[in-house]
Amino acid sequence: DAEITQSPRHKITETGRQVTLACHQTWNHNNMFWYRQDLGHGLRLIHYSYGVQDTNKGEVSDGYSVSRSNTEDLPLTLESAASSQTSVYFCASSEGVLSTDTQYFGPGTRLTVL
Amino acid sequence: GQNIDQPTEMTATEGAIVQINCTYQTSGFNGLFWYQQHAGEAPTFLSYNVLDGLEEKGRFSSFLSRSKGYSYLLLKELQMKDSASYLCAVRDPTGGSYIPTFGRGTSLIVHP
Repeated sequence: DAEITQSPRHKITETGRQVTLACHQTWNHNNMFWYRQDLGHGLRLIHYSYGVQDTNKGEVSDGYSVSRSNTEDLPLTLESAASSQTSVYFCASSEGVLSTDTQYFGPGTRLTVL
Repeated sequence: GQNIDQPTEMTATEGAIVQINCTYQTSGFNGLFWYQQHAGEAPTFLSYNVLDGLEEKGRFSSFLSRSKGYSYLLLKELQMKDSASYLCAVRDPTGGSYIPTFGRGTSLIVHP
């Protein structure tokens, strides 16, 4: 069965370190997204990609970067982790962006920055 | 800009009916989604509305009024497993993006 996975599921790091969160989908979807979820804020879009070599900034992109070298993967990098980036991170994918195209979410990564 | 409002928390009794409201103010509109998210898990798709009216799927129904910027999710015959957060998300194509924007979610607690 097709799925979307994230790794690691839990990560503790220190302020200033570079951290990369992995996202892998086997749906063969063109579109992939990264969100963070914090109490009181809901899901906020960080970056997204409509296909290989395409990346775009979302609502809260400062301090984050992504790259899309193949269809299956969209790794999220925190260049220099900050305590404000402690959050739960969800990756999602969708086939297209029109009509009823829904997003399928990964299980999430809980990141703690000390 | 976009503004999506949902109640923060609701409680209901097992076997009852509950209605979770979502109001939105957006420049444009191209669909409204409802997702369910259990604690510590990923959001999962429940329903999609793009035209006015009611969409029914088993115990869950979703209603949309575009003129009022209003939707609700109706859960019937509540079960304990329905305790979860319910996320409303609106797609606004203004500016060229078709990515839905999420509300803050409504935490539903179902008690015996």
